[in-house]
Amino acid sequence: DQQVKQNSPSLSVQEGRISILNCDYTNSMFDYFLWYKKYPAEGPTFLISISSIKDKNEDGRFTVFLNKSAKHLSLHIVPSQPGDSAVYFCAASDQGGSEKLVFGKGTKLTVNP
Amino acid sequence: DVKVTQSSRYLVKRTGEKVFLECVQDMDHENMFWYRQDPGLGLRLIYFSYDVKMKEKGDIPEGYSVSREKKERFSLILESASTNQTSMYLCASSLQGNPTDTQYFGPGTRLTVL
Repeated sequence: DQQVKQNSPSLSVQEGRISILNCDYTNSMFDYFLWYKKYPAEGPTFLISISSIKDKNEDGRFTVFLNKSAKHLSLHIVPSQPGDSAVYFCAASDQGGSEKLVFGKGTKLTVNP
Repeated sequence: DVKVTQSSRYLVKRTGEKVFLECVQDMDHENMFWYRQDPGLGLRLIYFSYDVKMKEKGDIPEGYSVSREKKERFSLILESASTNQTSMYLCASSLQGNPTDTQYFGPGTRLTVL
């Protein structure tokens, strides 16, 4: 039973445009959500997170939106750059970001110059 | 900067061999984790540890064991490697009791079992 779902395996956008990556979850106990970015042959690196008490968190070009009623979150990257090309993993926890996480399957983002 | 290192970047083993994957972190983190990453399956938790000599099963512990004798080191053991354990193995660590913190990952070990 997949508790965190990323239904788009891949996404392709043009440089300068917006990238929107989506994530759905089923466990209503999740109260902390994170996005990780992973380049080939490297470990994932933390990108941005959001607590369930918020509905939006921004960090530079990256914004995460949380819709608790729909159990849905999204990552917006504006403007997209070729260096953003990577696999993005959505993760969720009911104990916070440093404790046990449940990951989605990932979305491969390609930003074309 | 948090540093998580893994003993090998690439490893090739034979079916039936005993395999040790080592992970070391230098930030005095209490929590350590082992994941495997497979195409189309994302990151799946194998085992984790909240303290020295403590371990808990993750989602896919079958065929694996772990050891944590020192706080900074967490080892993943494949008692008898099989071809379906060919994968990317990722170690992570985190500070306990800080909900807004995150897990920090090592570079991964690409294991091929022939």
